[in-house]
Amino acid sequence: AQSVTQLGSHVSVSEGALVLLRCNYSSSVPPYLFWYVQYPNQGLQLLLKYTSAATLVKGINGFEAEFKKSETSFHLTKPSAHMSDAAEYFCAVSTTSGTYKYIFGTGTRLKVLA
Amino acid sequence: ETGVTQSPTHLIKTRGQQVTLRCSSQSGHNTVSWYQQALGQGPQFIFQYYREEENGRGNFPPRFSGLQFPNYSSELNVNALELDDSALYLCASSLQGAPTYEQYFGPGTRLTVT
Repeated sequence: AQSVTQLGSHVSVSEGALVLLRCNYSSSVPPYLFWYVQYPNQGLQLLLKYTSAATLVKGINGFEAEFKKSETSFHLTKPSAHMSDAAEYFCAVSTTSGTYKYIFGTGTRLKVLA
Repeated sequence: ETGVTQSPTHLIKTRGQQVTLRCSSQSGHNTVSWYQQALGQGPQFIFQYYREEENGRGNFPPRFSGLQFPNYSSELNVNALELDDSALYLCASSLQGAPTYEQYFGPGTRLTVT
């Protein structure tokens, strides 16, 4: 069975500081991994996705994530946090057999301090 | 290209009532998945529809049911509403067999059960 674990339900960073949101996955097959952002009272917006091409994936709004098979990780980073980055972030893995569905992590709420 | 739309945006119902939520899939997509996101949690897979038939179901009781129409739009019906059904309901459309397994989310319907 596939799963994702997001370490840290709340992360606070200062404006301009590095953002690091952690995601570890469990999968017996090559995973398809996604990061989504959710602003208050809104739906999910795709930040980036890993689909077995490049291990370093660049997304929107300056975010990127590196797929590390040896560590079963797909951590999300951004070099310099902006106030507008404050939101909830979800890591998800897609099942690739049977019903293609997403399995989401529990989310990490990012707070950006002025 | 029209994105995924959902209606209504917000809904308030009383325990025991029935509710219908609607979703229009993105142009070119033939599969619709529904997710429930309770407050402070990650989205949970409810079920998926493909070719107007249920194509997989998560751990939700039978009072959660759905439909998919020939134009690929979909409905989520919930009977005998319970207080715990209060959540954001997200619809996602996709193309069955697409190599990236990516799903495209609508803005969600916020259901409050009192």
